[in-house]
Amino acid sequence: DAGITQSPRYKITETGRQVTLMCHQTWSHSYMFWYRQDLGHGLRLIYYSAAADITDKGEVPDGYVVSRSKTENFPLTLESATRSQTSVYFCASTGGAEQYFGPGTRLTVT
Amino acid sequence: GENVEQHPSTLSVQEGDSAVIKCTYSDSASNYFPWYKQELGKRPQLIIDIRSNVGEKKDQRIAVTLNKTAKHFSLHITETQPEDSAVYFCAASRESNYQLIWGAGTKLIIKP
Repeated sequence: DAGITQSPRYKITETGRQVTLMCHQTWSHSYMFWYRQDLGHGLRLIYYSAAADITDKGEVPDGYVVSRSKTENFPLTLESATRSQTSVYFCASTGGAEQYFGPGTRLTVT
Repeated sequence: GENVEQHPSTLSVQEGDSAVIKCTYSDSASNYFPWYKQELGKRPQLIIDIRSNVGEKKDQRIAVTLNKTAKHFSLHITETQPEDSAVYFCAASRESNYQLIWGAGTKLIIKP
């Protein structure tokens, strides 16, 4: 688990601001994922990436942008934060089938 | 689109009893079925998984069964303990793309 980290762990921002959540993994896994988990709910896929420079939309991509210039990093940007984007964001990676999750970023949009 | 249905949403059992959580998937090409446990405020962690060429898999007190014909799989926890209290998620995927389709989760409560 120490191989995948997220920063910041907690973030409070205002409506309309741009926010970037960072994800870094040290395993050189090909696949990386971004999920959001709203209070008391399950995981919803925002974006995923099969390799550097290859990204694709998940279930709820609107309002989010990703990039993957290096295998180990997969940042998620909220272009103009809205209150509905208040959530816990998990990054995950896999080199086979099991997905390993980062510790999460708790984002509050006021 | 493809989906995974998970039942029940909440399960309360007496400590020491067994717990069973069931999932049904829609994509007949799915061949990988993991179960994740998420404790309050923590990240999801894999507890057991099964692939489509196997009908059952056990690891100490937990087991998973798969019925490909009926497209359902189940998690069985025996001799439940307080530390089993958590939310459990099932998921399904094709190993060709590693994209998991998640169930909605089951909150397991172990009563002392």
